[in-house]
Amino acid sequence: QVQLMQSGAEVRKPGASVKISCKASGYTFTNYYMHWVRQAPGQGLEWMGLINPSGGATFNAQNFQDRVTMTRDTSTSTVYMELSSLRSEDTAVYYCARGESPSSTLYFDDWGQGTLVTVSS
Amino acid sequence: DIQMTQSPSSVSASVGDRISITCRASQDISTWIAWYQQKPGKAPKLLIYGASSLQSGVPSRFSGSGSGTQFTLTISSLQPEDFATYYCQQAKSFPYTFGQGTKVEIK
Repeated sequence: QVQLMQSGAEVRKPGASVKISCKASGYTFTNYYMHWVRQAPGQGLEWMGLINPSGGATFNAQNFQDRVTMTRDTSTSTVYMELSSLRSEDTAVYYCARGESPSSTLYFDDWGQGTLVTVSS
Repeated sequence: DIQMTQSPSSVSASVGDRISITCRASQDISTWIAWYQQKPGKAPKLLIYGASSLQSGVPSRFSGSGSGTQFTLTISSLQPEDFATYYCQQAKSFPYTFGQGTKVEIK
């Protein structure tokens, strides 16, 4: 079965960076886009961007354009999302989410368990 | 960016009730919309995609309809496990955007 296992909770100070991992298993890693979605405490969902694990191409939402970097390691079937210049508003649960069908960028089927990032001085 | 506006923001209902949640897009998105269910402390779950296609494994009491700018998620007979927050998401263009959510509560 498909599993997306994310790294553990992180605490960072304002201005720092954080890198979250999402290890995929149960399917052919390079066949499905991976998205990142975040959710601030008590708030709704915000799409951050996606990565094509096959070639590594990424597309980031404009809100995060200069601060987010998505990468992948095909040898370990892992995608990474690094967010820099953290501010308190970045405190949120960050999810990786797999595209719902091969080569589709549209919808999010399987999700990781979420990684809480807390930004506090 | 395409704005997605859900209504109502919350609804109180009883087991067995039929409820509908509406999502309005700020521009024509054809049928490029999905619906998700999220329970507290859990990741969202895909229910409906392409406006009306039921994701595998999702009970048939869930249905979606609409096209263009107006969409509806209907639960035909609420079950205890359906009390959760529901989100719509447009996939017409980047950046993908979500509605603000509708919380379905027990009356």
